[in-house]
Amino acid sequence: KQEVTQIPAALSVPEGENLVLNCSFTDSAIYNLQWFRQDPGKGLTSLLLIQSSQREQTSGRLNASLDKSSGRSTLYIAASQPGDSATYLCAVRRETSGSRLTFGEGTQLTVNP
Amino acid sequence: SAVISQKPSRDICQRGTSLTIQCQVDSQVTMMFWYRQQPGQSLTLIATANQGSEATYESGFVIDKFPISRPNLTFSTLTVSNMSPEDSSIYLCSVAGTSVYNEQFFGPGTRLTVL
Repeated sequence: KQEVTQIPAALSVPEGENLVLNCSFTDSAIYNLQWFRQDPGKGLTSLLLIQSSQREQTSGRLNASLDKSSGRSTLYIAASQPGDSATYLCAVRRETSGSRLTFGEGTQLTVNP
Repeated sequence: SAVISQKPSRDICQRGTSLTIQCQVDSQVTMMFWYRQQPGQSLTLIATANQGSEATYESGFVIDKFPISRPNLTFSTLTVSNMSPEDSSIYLCSVAGTSVYNEQFFGPGTRLTVL
């Protein structure tokens, strides 16, 4: 059974810091990995999708890397802003799970002005 | 990316009643899904809504409790039946493109509270 773990569970940083969120998964036979952002009481916003054959993806101040063999992904946020405050979720799709995304518990990020 | 809307955005319901949640997408999509997010927890897939056939339910979820309709490629409904306080959650509609392996997008969610 695929398990996804995100560390840390919560993170509070001052504005302007560069930060790294971690995601690990137990079964390396994944098809892709997706990072999401969720604001309190809201739906999910897709940030980045990394296919299993890729090493990283970038979008603006966000960079996500994937090391499939070791079961790890990181989300790097450069020059953090108060508007980045949200919960960040990673989700993996196994090669054999079809539609099912397995989600981590999320990292709750607070960026203080 | 697809634009997804859900109705209602939130509701407070009495134990034993049922609520139907609607999901509308601005373009035709092959794959539509329903997820549940219980308070303080991450997301769990309830079922895949199949157009023209019965939904495919995940382990622990049954059609009698969560009947799903998918009349066309842009619309789906999820009903939460005979509700109990344990059903209090955010229910989210999600879509993917032509392949189940495509990027998934989520609606704004329906926050349900059962008293």
